Amino acid sequence: EVQLVESGGGLVKPGGSLRLSCAASGFTFSTYTMNWVRQAPGKGLEWVSSMNSGGSYIYYAESVKGRFTISRDNAKNSLYLQMESVRGEDTAVYYCATGYSNIWAAFDLWGQGTMVTVAS
Amino acid sequence: DTQMTQSPSSLSASVGDRVTITCQASQDVSIFLNWYQQKPGRAPKLLIYDASNLETGVPSRFSGSGSGTDFTLTISSLQPADIATYYCQQYHHLPALTFGGGTKVEIK
Repeated sequence: EVQLVESGGGLVKPGGSLRLSCAASGFTFSTYTMNWVRQAPGKGLEWVSSMNSGGSYIYYAESVKGRFTISRDNAKNSLYLQMESVRGEDTAVYYCATGYSNIWAAFDLWGQGTMVTVAS
Repeated sequence: DTQMTQSPSSLSASVGDRVTITCQASQDVSIFLNWYQQKPGRAPKLLIYDASNLETGVPSRFSGSGSGTDFTLTISSLQPADIATYYCQQYHHLPALTFGGGTKVEIK
């Protein structure tokens, strides 16, 4: 089955760190651009970061640039998001997503999401 | 970054009604515009890609149109299963892949 499964969310204090993981299965992960998208409680979708298949192109939203780091391990079919210096506004459900069938930026494959809560 | 403005932010319509949601970009995004449907507690689902292409498996009552800065998502005959929030997303002006603020659709 083609799927993405996120993990690593939880409660973290302001200024703290957290590492999210996204495990891919059922497709050739190493050939796909992967993305993180988040959604604060009761709010809309916000793109966070993208990394191409080989890791040579990496993009971040301005809101996380310098604090979050996207990475991947193609041998382990996994995508990561290292979150540093977290703030209250980083509280959200974090999804990994990819454009599996057609276009890299048309996200037709999503994980179930992992909740990150930043609070003291 | 390219700003995406959706309207209305919410709407209430009857089953069988034709529903139209608009998305306006702050600059030309050509046809690089996607539409998503999100139900509560669920991940978003891709409906339309490149402005007007229906994703496989999506009911034909959904359609998309537009180019440049103005786009429309239309549900030709609203069904109870369509109750959700809908988002547009541009990917022409990288690196930011910006989403619209969302339109919540309810049944009257």
